[in-house]
Amino acid sequence: DSGVTQTPKHLITATGQRVTLRCSPRSGDLSVYWYQQSLDQGLQFLIQYYNGEERAKGNILERFSAQQFPDLHSELNLSSLELGDSALYFCASARGVSYNEQFFGPGTRLTVL
Amino acid sequence: SQQGEEDPQALSIQEGENATMNCSYKTSINNLQWYRQNSGRGLVHLILIRSNEREKHSGRLRVTLDTSKKSSSLLITASRAADTASYFCACHTGANSKLTFGKGITLSVRP
Repeated sequence: DSGVTQTPKHLITATGQRVTLRCSPRSGDLSVYWYQQSLDQGLQFLIQYYNGEERAKGNILERFSAQQFPDLHSELNLSSLELGDSALYFCASARGVSYNEQFFGPGTRLTVL
Repeated sequence: SQQGEEDPQALSIQEGENATMNCSYKTSINNLQWYRQNSGRGLVHLILIRSNEREKHSGRLRVTLDTSKKSSSLLITASRAADTASYFCACHTGANSKLTFGKGITLSVRP
């Protein structure tokens, strides 16, 4: 158990819909990262927040957005969902802002029908 | 472009044998990390090696880093069936904490 929690574990929805994925980092960790894992694209970095501020951006679509709240939990919002958004979404947390090992949550499996 | 690329893509060995997995990368790094993922589950951090380090050990794991060749290897000694998983190398580059993962190596350890 990494100490990172993600909800929900599974999500099934339809194209065009909007969903919110939630992540709680390990106690004391200030950085939260979001990743998307699919068979064809592998593990792709989406976005990082550090202590409430956006820190780094990766291959995140404009239809996706994220935020980190004062209690340090984070939410990833996916809108106008397409079939190709079906994937495993992981969040990870780390102690500091850079160069640290990351602790991954169990993931949310999103299926878009 | 993919920063870390693992080799081979798949590896099947007998329990007790050693498993060697390789990772090559393209640009200079701050550190390189190896992670393990059991089927459909979250990644577990195994080991981190900094750019000024050449070798690191953790239990049955040994990681080497050759910055001149832009490559790293992960050796698992005396493998066990429980080592069956996917292994990823991840490169830490630049001023932010972005980690770039390879596509992973599927390791199967036959009992």
